[in-house]
Amino acid sequence: DIVMTQTPLSLSVTPGQPASISCKSSQSLLHSDGKTYLYWYLQKPGQPPQLLIYEVSNRFSGVPDRFSGSGSGTDFTLKISRVEAEDVGVYYCMQSIQLPYTFGQGTKLEIK
Amino acid sequence: QVQLQESGPGLVKPSETLSLTCTVSGGSISSYYWSWIRQPPGKGLEWIGYIYYSGSTNYNPSLKSRVTISVDTSKNQFSLKLSSVTAADTAVYYCARHSRIAAALGNWFDPWGQGTLVTVSS
Repeated sequence: DIVMTQTPLSLSVTPGQPASISCKSSQSLLHSDGKTYLYWYLQKPGQPPQLLIYEVSNRFSGVPDRFSGSGSGTDFTLKISRVEAEDVGVYYCMQSIQLPYTFGQGTKLEIK
Repeated sequence: QVQLQESGPGLVKPSETLSLTCTVSGGSISSYYWSWIRQPPGKGLEWIGYIYYSGSTNYNPSLKSRVTISVDTSKNQFSLKLSSVTAADTAVYYCARHSRIAAALGNWFDPWGQGTLVTVSS
């Protein structure tokens, strides 16, 4: 299985300040088709996960532009340029290049 | 838009079989892959397995010996059975659609159902 490792596991951020989450995979997520199958989700309390970023750096429909993704191969980063109160929840990275699909452990974002 | 709704018993006894159904509305179950994903209370996400509308399946090796996923295209539903459950199977169970038509890999999950909590206890 591909192991997805996120750091940190928790973040406490003042509104308006930036935040960054790292995700490292145990194998490259670059497919022979040229795409990298790395995704970022946010799970707000009591809700299912919602997609933020697909294929490393593409914002999903309706996702604010303060969210951005970057990286390649096995190292990836999700950045929030200016954290807002509505961004609280748990952030997960996920890979879908190989079965079984696997997720990172999650990073809990809290507001100071 | 497509919506998913999980249904089934919220309490299952140890050693028995957990059975859940996901009903798809607002669109056809055809042409897509559909997955079950679970989340123990306070913990992370685990992919359980998927089914294609044609009936082909793939399961997480960690659960493969106990999992069966089936589809009923006439009802626009797919189902999960997990046998010989223990307390470790207590979780919120989600159903979700794969993003790409006819693609098992290279997908994200969207939409998701709201999830249903299944507790394993005597």
